[in-house]
Amino acid sequence: DAGVTQSPTHLIKTRGQQVTLRCSPKSGHDTVSWYQQALGQGPQFIFQYYEEEERQRGNFPDRFSGHQYPNYSSELNVNALLLGDSALYLCASSLTRQVLSNQPQHFGDGTRLSIL
Amino acid sequence: AQTVTQSQPEMSVQEAETVTLSCTYDTSESDYYLFWYKQPPSRQMILVIRQEAYKQQNATENRFSVNFQKAAKSFSLKISDSQLGDAAMYFCAFRGRYGGATNKLIFGTGTLLAVQP
Repeated sequence: DAGVTQSPTHLIKTRGQQVTLRCSPKSGHDTVSWYQQALGQGPQFIFQYYEEEERQRGNFPDRFSGHQYPNYSSELNVNALLLGDSALYLCASSLTRQVLSNQPQHFGDGTRLSIL
Repeated sequence: AQTVTQSQPEMSVQEAETVTLSCTYDTSESDYYLFWYKQPPSRQMILVIRQEAYKQQNATENRFSVNFQKAAKSFSLKISDSQLGDAAMYFCAFRGRYGGATNKLIFGTGTLLAVQP
């Protein structure tokens, strides 16, 4: 049973560039959430995708956008990269019908993004 | 808005001893879930234990247990018989039960646990 997989593992970009991070949810899950974890901090919620639409968004600028495909996989896109975007980006998946239960999200290993 | 506070940036424990990690939270909701996640250097968030706010009984998972004080909005994690493999960053997290069909997690800033042999 494959868990949440993210790619790439590491990525180095320069300021002003654009980046796309990818996530495949755990088998059977239909909802994907993205979190940003700055060094020494807890993860911060970016947004959540369900049925190919953004369902909820955290306090992040429009430079952060996403997409979900019919197979439930998801992408996180960040435009006009800033030094402050350097962080670990975590993807978490869950099953929407279990949203109102105590079932936890399952996390991937994350993508480490470094901005030079 | 909900907030989660972990006041211990770092903790240390001797192998086989017991350690307690603190967490407080703020919310106006009456029904919610609380979680402790472990993040080793491998980076993956691993669920340690969960607690439903409507349950008075404290959750336990083998060597891990919580002390949930709803009135005080406190949710501490106790690790008994600490093992070297317990060394990691531990995050306390909150999730509301209602307020939209989402299961957004709100995390604290984490406590780095070192286990001394």
